[in-house]
Amino acid sequence: SQQGEEDPQALSIQEGENATMNCSYKTSINNLQWYRQNSGRGLVHLILIRSNEREKHSGRLRVTLDTSKKSSSLLITASRAADTASYFCATDARTGGGNKLTFGTGTQLKVEL
Amino acid sequence: NAGVTQTPKFQVLKTGQSMTLQCAQDMNHEYMSWYRQDPGMGLRLIHYSVGAGITDQGEVPNGYNVSRSTTEDFPLRLLSAAPSQTSVYFCASSYSPTGGKRGEKLFFGSGTQLSVL
Repeated sequence: SQQGEEDPQALSIQEGENATMNCSYKTSINNLQWYRQNSGRGLVHLILIRSNEREKHSGRLRVTLDTSKKSSSLLITASRAADTASYFCATDARTGGGNKLTFGTGTQLKVEL
Repeated sequence: NAGVTQTPKFQVLKTGQSMTLQCAQDMNHEYMSWYRQDPGMGLRLIHYSVGAGITDQGEVPNGYNVSRSTTEDFPLRLLSAAPSQTSVYFCASSYSPTGGKRGEKLFFGSGTQLSVL
């Protein structure tokens, strides 16, 4: 079963606007990661936030984590057409067998000129 | 570094055929994994390995075999292809399976698009 669920499933904005995507998960985690996938390509890691962190920044990206609500948000500020992609959250819930990163279903972001 | 290399990029099989998807990484990563991506389903873990000689099942392992004889290579074998295995397959690797400051982020290959007729 999917651990993470992104919301919304699709988002369309104008260049220069901010884009916010949300991720909810079910079980306790060690960290939560966000990945980007351009059409027809592999996923690229964007940012990782640990369970003891509440907010993290990387360039135009801002990620928040609320472990009490089991949710995270990804904010992309001043969006560009090149930000058009699918964005996935992934949760790292440590198991006895090692690292199992579980992905959500993704948010499709379209940034229009 | 080439990173994570997957071959082939595209493959069409008939039901019942077998094949191997290749994955190689040149980053000396201990952890390697295979995911499949289906529309509306996100990525689902098929099998993973925390080091040479060690493999384990993920969420959807049925119909697939893996082995890890070297640190660099982690092939995925489809034993008898079925239409339900039509999907895009991604191989991914990371430094450490146990966390730590070297990071748990995954490096992905560019994918193999598989169609089973």
